Amino acid sequence: QKEVEQDPGPLSVPEGAIVSLNCTYSNSAFQYFMWYRQYSRKGPELLMYTYSSGNKEDGRFTAQVDKSSKYISLFIRDSQPSDSATYLCAQNTDKLIFGTGTRLQVFP
Amino acid sequence: DAGVTQSPTHLIKTRGQQVTLRCSPKSGHDTVSWYQQALGQGPQFIFQYYEEEERQRGNFPDRFSGHQFPNYSSELNVNALLLGDSALYLCASSVFSGTNYGYTFGSGTRLTVV
Repeated sequence: QKEVEQDPGPLSVPEGAIVSLNCTYSNSAFQYFMWYRQYSRKGPELLMYTYSSGNKEDGRFTAQVDKSSKYISLFIRDSQPSDSATYLCAQNTDKLIFGTGTRLQVFP
Repeated sequence: DAGVTQSPTHLIKTRGQQVTLRCSPKSGHDTVSWYQQALGQGPQFIFQYYEEEERQRGNFPDRFSGHQFPNYSSELNVNALLLGDSALYLCASSVFSGTNYGYTFGSGTRLTVV
């Protein structure tokens, strides 16, 4: 079992849709989770980070961690074509353990 | 404020050759980590350098080695290149005793082994 699992997609949605991106993790000893956005031919950039359980909101983005089910989610409201990118979830275990990444395309 | 700078941006090497990739960390950062990202995959941790020493290492063979200089910049060396080493190599800088989310990534070096 991989330490962090993520559905690779691709996910294609119309502009304005709500997008839900999900990951599961296996190591409960570490509770810092991050979501990165990676545009083509670029490095990952930090979008959101969360600690332990709960929600965190930043503009159109909401990150959620469910410790009981070892599930982390990123919700994007009112999605825009500029949100088209690969989204990577990561767990900080003194090094970053990434999921496979989910390719998202938002079409006008 | 300069972010993380990596060079070169692209590189083509022949199987069996050696390659050196370079990274300058973000201003104020003292720790450099290297990741390998194969096509369609998430980045995989190679190793981390702090105070010019390798502090952690991922599941990569000894063909992968690194160095950190007194100015915190770093090099990644790969010997005896294999076709499977073709990937995007990412450098991430951070502060050693800083926040658990404070990693800044460079744009990467795309290595193609033919």
